[in-house]
Amino acid sequence: RKEVEQDPGPFNVPEGATVAFNCTYSNSASQSFFWYRQDCRKEPKLLMSVYSSGNEDGRFTAQLNRASQYISLLIRDSKLSDSATYLCVVNIRGGYQKVTFGTGTKLQVIP
Amino acid sequence: GAVVSQHPSRVICKSGTSVKIECRSLDFQATTMFWYRQFPKQSLMLMATSNEGSKATYEQGVEKDKFLINHASLTLSTLTVTSAHPEDSSFYICSASPGISNQPQHFGDGTRLSIL
Repeated sequence: RKEVEQDPGPFNVPEGATVAFNCTYSNSASQSFFWYRQDCRKEPKLLMSVYSSGNEDGRFTAQLNRASQYISLLIRDSKLSDSATYLCVVNIRGGYQKVTFGTGTKLQVIP
Repeated sequence: GAVVSQHPSRVICKSGTSVKIECRSLDFQATTMFWYRQFPKQSLMLMATSNEGSKATYEQGVEKDKFLINHASLTLSTLTVTSAHPEDSSFYICSASPGISNQPQHFGDGTRLSIL
């Protein structure tokens, strides 16, 4: 089983729709969680950190469920510019940092 | 925000050439740097984790003698693809982190390597 799993999609949604992605993790030592977006042929860029109490940044809401070991990303009022691959990243506590990526979920927002 | 610089952004060279890629953290000390490879329409694949002053830790299936990593300072890590062949053509991306587990990584712009 992979340490971090995401539905690869693609999720095809119309403009203005609300879409949600989940990401499950298996390592109980997972400490910090992040969502990145990656545009085609570009490097990943940090979208938002995920806090235990949940956090919101404009149209984006991230949540963490430690009991069930998953994080989620909700995008409201989807824009064409939201089309990208969304990567779930998990940092695992330890001596040196260990980072695990999900394979990403592809989102395509359709006019 | 934190900036990570990667150079060069594009390399085209002949088979058998060795190619060095640099990754620099410009405004923080990067205890840990990561090297990834991404083939077209595939997900990022971690190649190795590089910790300043120690040997890199390579992922399974990644040849350490083929992909030489040097993390000589807290702001610079290099990846050298030795005797590159066409199958090494890929998008190579580095990321850097202060080494504190609650801090995110920051990515370089990536290097697109094409071996003819």
